[in-house]
Amino acid sequence: GAGVSQSPSNKVTEKGKDVELRCDPISGHTALYWYRQSLGQGLEFLIYFQGNSAPDKSGLPSDRFSAERTGGSVSTLTIQRTQQEDSAVYLCASSPPLFRVETQYFGPGTRLLVL
Amino acid sequence: QKEVEQDPGPLSVPEGAIVSLNCTYSNSAFQYFMWYRQYSRKGPELLMYTYSSGNKEDGRFTAQVDKSSKYISLFIRDSQPSDSATYLCAMSLFLTGGFKTIFGAGTRLFVKA
Repeated sequence: GAGVSQSPSNKVTEKGKDVELRCDPISGHTALYWYRQSLGQGLEFLIYFQGNSAPDKSGLPSDRFSAERTGGSVSTLTIQRTQQEDSAVYLCASSPPLFRVETQYFGPGTRLLVL
Repeated sequence: QKEVEQDPGPLSVPEGAIVSLNCTYSNSAFQYFMWYRQYSRKGPELLMYTYSSGNKEDGRFTAQVDKSSKYISLFIRDSQPSDSATYLCAMSLFLTGGFKTIFGAGTRLFVKA
């Protein structure tokens, strides 16, 4: 079956421009996560959507970062006025409805380079 | 202090060696312990999970949890070049509204043919 997909796979932008990253989760998955992974670093949690609940935005590094999830499915992560330190791989993951243990299914990521 | 500590490596071993990957954690409330494998330019994929102290085996892989020491390990027997990847530990607890999951930094493993 189809897994988590992300687009674009690569994005090069100039400092100060806005970017939008898209995530299509696995159909039926109620939870969706965004992470940032820099070279040699672990997964930095950004934001978490669970069903119709208010998202957990506690990981967003600044107010330049925002995310929305429309219709409980597709999600868009927006970075405004990009900075060079925003360069990283942005990973999206989805999870099935809450059960005994959480299994996150990751997309391939979007590699963002801010020049 | 980070909630989850993992040595980033890299770790280089010859084919056939036994590999030991480890993580320590500070939050005794963690309930679930997972290992993810991430190949280059791919997203992480779940390898194993466990929720109790002790060992869990799956083929060449064994996950070990010691809650009293707040220490988890992943052992790979008869390592193969195809095992070369980054291995991330992850730990979760269930909170109102959903899970909180913390990932380690990942250990890069190279298995030489």
